[in-house]
Amino acid sequence: QMHLQESGPGLVRASETLSLTCTVSGYSISSAYYWAWIRQPPGKGLEWIGSFYLTSGNTYYTPSLKSRVTISVDTSKSQVSLQLSSMTASDTAVYFCARGSRVTPPFDNWGQGTLVTVSS
Amino acid sequence: QSALTQPASVSGSPGQSITISCTGTSGDVGSDDYVSWYQQHPGKTPKLIIYNVNARPSGVSNRFSGFKSGTTASLTISGLQSEDEADYYCCSYAGVSYWVFGGGTKLTVL
Repeated sequence: QMHLQESGPGLVRASETLSLTCTVSGYSISSAYYWAWIRQPPGKGLEWIGSFYLTSGNTYYTPSLKSRVTISVDTSKSQVSLQLSSMTASDTAVYFCARGSRVTPPFDNWGQGTLVTVSS
Repeated sequence: QSALTQPASVSGSPGQSITISCTGTSGDVGSDDYVSWYQQHPGKTPKLIIYNVNARPSGVSNRFSGFKSGTTASLTISGLQSEDEADYYCCSYAGVSYWVFGGGTKLTVL
C-alpha cells in the first residue's frame, strides 16, 4: 500500500525559503510517471505547484511560482522535495505531494498534506 | 493560466441527481480529454473520482459520471447520498505538462 508523508516546518518567516519533503513508502518512487506538489490555502481551492518527471528529469512549474520554486526527487531516499523561496503570507497553505499517473491522470495518490504558515 | 470556473455551491436532496460544471478554454478543457474530478471532505485529502473526462478509478461508485463538450466539462452525481456532501474540484491538462484546477464547488445534501 503506497503511503506518502509530507514533512517540514509548520511555521516559516516571511522572506525565508520553505523546504518540504515527501517520503514515499510501500511503492518504488522510480516507478511513477511523475511526482507533483499541490497546495491549498485555508478555506480555498487547490493549486498545482509543479511536477518532476522521472524518466526525463524535467520539471514543470505553474507560471506564477516558477521563479521561486524547485522540485526534486531523491530516489535513494525515496523522497520528493519542494523548495519555495521568498515566502509571503499568501503562501500560507496546506501542501500536498501526489503521484502522477500515466494510467489514471493526473494525481491518483496523495499525501495527507502539511500546513505551512508564514509569519511576518 | 487561470483557474477553471466552477459554481461555488450546488445542493440536492437524497436520491436526486446534481451536475457540477467546469468551464475552461480551448487551451485546457477544450484541448484534450485529460479532465479529472476530485472529491474532498473537510480536513481530508482530495480523492480522484473521475479521470480522462469519464473514467472511474477502481472502487469509485458508478453514481459518479463525467462528460465534456467543447470547453465545458461536467460531473454528475446520481442517487445523492449524505456522504456525497463534500467539495468537488475539476482539473484539466493545460499543455506542456501544466495542470490547472477549478475553484471548487461545495455540494450540500439537503
